[in-house]
Amino acid sequence: SQQGEEDPQALSIQEGENATMNCSYKTSINNLQWYRQNSGRGLVHLILIRSNEREKHSGRLRVTLDTSKKSSSLLITASRAADTASYFCARETTDSWGKLQFGAGTQVVVTP
Amino acid sequence: GAGVSQSPSNKVTEKGKDVELRCDPISGHTALYWYRQRLGQGLEFLIYFQGNSAPDKSGLPSDRFSAERTGESVSTLTIQRTQQEDSAVYLCASSLVQFSGNTIYFGEGSWLTVV
Repeated sequence: SQQGEEDPQALSIQEGENATMNCSYKTSINNLQWYRQNSGRGLVHLILIRSNEREKHSGRLRVTLDTSKKSSSLLITASRAADTASYFCARETTDSWGKLQFGAGTQVVVTP
Repeated sequence: GAGVSQSPSNKVTEKGKDVELRCDPISGHTALYWYRQRLGQGLEFLIYFQGNSAPDKSGLPSDRFSAERTGESVSTLTIQRTQQEDSAVYLCASSLVQFSGNTIYFGEGSWLTVV
């Protein structure tokens, strides 16, 4: 069963705008990872944040983690049409070492 | 290989038939995972293999599902007596070592349709 939720389920923005999506979870984690999926096929790893970290950056991506609220956010700045995809957070919980648990994802559409 | 390879990419089968899905992990990756993704949903963990350790089968939904792995290479996911609810994309992933915080790399998936 899935261990958390992404919010919103869908997001539609215009190029140049920022996109923010959130991920909540229920049990303690070792780390949280964000993945991107195009067209319902393979997932691509974007960024990993460990439980003792609060923020990480990678290019136009910024991830935050608040373990007290059991939540994470992914921010895509200056979005592009090519950012259109589904974004998933995946948790490695402390009781399932090495095994990732995925949420239902946020579907992002960026229009030119 | 350059990436995780899965075959077939698409499979249509009749209800009640058995199907086999194959995964070739990245060379040298000792950990291998199978996930299932139904249309519009997230990924459901099915099973993972790590080296010579006993596989974690805790995600397999029923005894119609089984998986094998040959050493640290190819894995086969078998679904017996397929049902319509088995229709989904089956994603395989591998990682160099199974330790906390390791990045896993996904294949493109096998899309299974049971009619």
